[in-house]
Amino acid sequence: DTGVSQDPRHKITKRGQNVTFRCDPISEHNRLYWYRQTLGQGPEFLTYFQNEAQLEKSRLLSDRFSAERPKGSFSTLEIQRTEQGDSAMYLCASSLGGSGNNEQFFGPGTRLTVL
Amino acid sequence: GENVEQHPSTLSVQEGDSAVIKCTYSDSASNYFPWYKQELGKGPQLIIDIRSNVGEKKDQRIAVTLNKTAKHFSLHITETQPEDSAVYFCAAVTGNQFYFGTGTSLTVIP
Repeated sequence: DTGVSQDPRHKITKRGQNVTFRCDPISEHNRLYWYRQTLGQGPEFLTYFQNEAQLEKSRLLSDRFSAERPKGSFSTLEIQRTEQGDSAMYLCASSLGGSGNNEQFFGPGTRLTVL
Repeated sequence: GENVEQHPSTLSVQEGDSAVIKCTYSDSASNYFPWYKQELGKGPQLIIDIRSNVGEKKDQRIAVTLNKTAKHFSLHITETQPEDSAVYFCAAVTGNQFYFGTGTSLTVIP
């Protein structure tokens, strides 16, 4: 257990529905990352927060995806109008930040299945 | 952007033998190289990392080497045990961006 938690662990939804995932990082970590991982691939970067500010977004993050970290602690990732291609494991990671402190600690992930 | 290649994609070894996984990267600005172990149904777990000012690092049965000139780095696991069976990912880090390899599925045969 790395100290990063994600909820839910599994989500099955029908195409077109909206889903929201939550990530609780390690409490003193000010950086929070979202990744998507499909079968047989490494994690792909989606977006990252420094405290409550969303500093970078990947081109993978279409306008159906939105992420927030309102108080600089937990974060949510929402996918609107889900498509079958959104089926993947969504991973959250956190890091302390600052010079030389970029080790990332991953949560267990939320596995999304879009039917 | 950064391109990380990882080989082999699958690796089977007898218990007690060594396992070596290799990665190459393209961006000379990458300066941090972590390795993660991912077990089925779990998130990746950091097992060892190396920074660009170091050529080798060892932690018990696990070691990582880095050749910045050739832009490649390797994970070495000695005296493998069945519980080492998992998928291993390398990553090259530029700034705050992590670029992962495609993973190596390691099976340790008892």
